[in-house]
Amino acid sequence: ETGVTQTPRHLVMGMTNKKSLKCEQHLGHNAMYWYKQSAKKPLELMFVYNFKEQTENNSVPSRFSPECPNSSHLFLHLHTLQPEDSALYLCASSHGRRNTEAFFGQGTRLTVV
Amino acid sequence: RKEVEQDPGPFNVPEGATVAFNCTYSNSASQSFFWYRQDCRKEPKLLMSVYSSGNEDGRFTAQLNRASQYISLLIRDSKLSDSATYLCAVGAYNDMRFGAGTRLTVKP
Repeated sequence: ETGVTQTPRHLVMGMTNKKSLKCEQHLGHNAMYWYKQSAKKPLELMFVYNFKEQTENNSVPSRFSPECPNSSHLFLHLHTLQPEDSALYLCASSHGRRNTEAFFGQGTRLTVV
Repeated sequence: RKEVEQDPGPFNVPEGATVAFNCTYSNSASQSFFWYRQDCRKEPKLLMSVYSSGNEDGRFTAQLNRASQYISLLIRDSKLSDSATYLCAVGAYNDMRFGAGTRLTVKP
């Protein structure tokens, strides 16, 4: 069982669809993150949750809506996306209290058509 | 100014070469520093943490210079399997920022 699991691995959606990305971590961590990785661009931090509280919203458009029901699960709800939102969406987790490394899930490759 | 900047790359080196990557960061409150490796179409994976005293793991050596706000990664005796993108990461209170990555290709 991997430490951080993301589903689905691949997603194709139309601009009028609503979909959700799911992330689950089995590492006992308290901080979870959503990152976006577009081609030839750095990893962009989107949201941070620490002990289920959102501590960072990095000027992300409202068409992306995060949800963290508990320390082990993180969702990213998507609606009315644009083609430029096509990217690899990576979830990560870390300890939370200490400045420790982040562990990543395998990502969801999203294509908006 | 970008929060974390890396060498633009790409680096194309022969097997056995020594290659060095540098990374600068702008947030002086940063407390944690890492190098990650990312293979094509895969997620980033931790390569090593970076400490003020420097640290070494086999052929890999990482160093941190807080005064100048940069970290470095040295790879000695490079192998074909070292080909990947190397990302530096700088963290402050669960806000971890990544550089754009430097692509390394090791050729026979």
